[in-house]
Amino acid sequence: EAQVTQNPRYLITVTGKKLTVTCSQNMNHEYMSWYRQDPGLGLRQIYYSMNVEVTDKGDVPEGYKVSRKEKRNFPLILESPSPNQTSLYFCASSFSAPNNQPQHFGDGTRLSIL
Amino acid sequence: GENVEQHPSTLSVQEGDSAVIKCTYSDSASNYFPWYKQELGKGPQLIIDIRSNVGEKKDQRIAVTLNKTAKHFSLHITETQPEDSAVYFCAAHSNYQLIWGAGTKLIIKP
Repeated sequence: EAQVTQNPRYLITVTGKKLTVTCSQNMNHEYMSWYRQDPGLGLRQIYYSMNVEVTDKGDVPEGYKVSRKEKRNFPLILESPSPNQTSLYFCASSFSAPNNQPQHFGDGTRLSIL
Repeated sequence: GENVEQHPSTLSVQEGDSAVIKCTYSDSASNYFPWYKQELGKGPQLIIDIRSNVGEKKDQRIAVTLNKTAKHFSLHITETQPEDSAVYFCAAHSNYQLIWGAGTKLIIKP
């Protein structure tokens, strides 16, 4: 089954404790991205990747890191999480840049930073 | 950069009636406008999209219209059903990214 898998689905942690949210897709998609969703703000892109070893900042990259060492995986790293990073996070993928391609989303990761 | 505004933030309609959600965008170079539906506990899912060389597109009960001159596009849902209850997002493509509206919570009253 074609899917985007995020882990964990839920995480409560404390300020400053490094964490990684994993994202994996099985559709051989080149384009992957991370979004955060906050009430009243819609989805805001954090980082995106056009292909392996190619990553670019989205609209809200501060406090986040990503890597794309393999085509299928695109982990999101919070080196020193802070309470303002409490949010619902989504990973998405598509065959190419989303100018005419549907984005396939994971089911989300709810992060709470205390 | 691109900015997308979406209205209303909440829309409540009687089952069987029509629902219309509107979005405006700022970047005249944007050429692709998808609509996504998000159900509770799930990621958004594409329901319909339109490209800038087309003015209207229909798929059964849903349709999207685009006015490039005015820089706005709208989602129309006819004969609404309980399963249409969800949050709907519009988006516009700009520079390898999708820029999203803030979302509309659609409530279908029985």
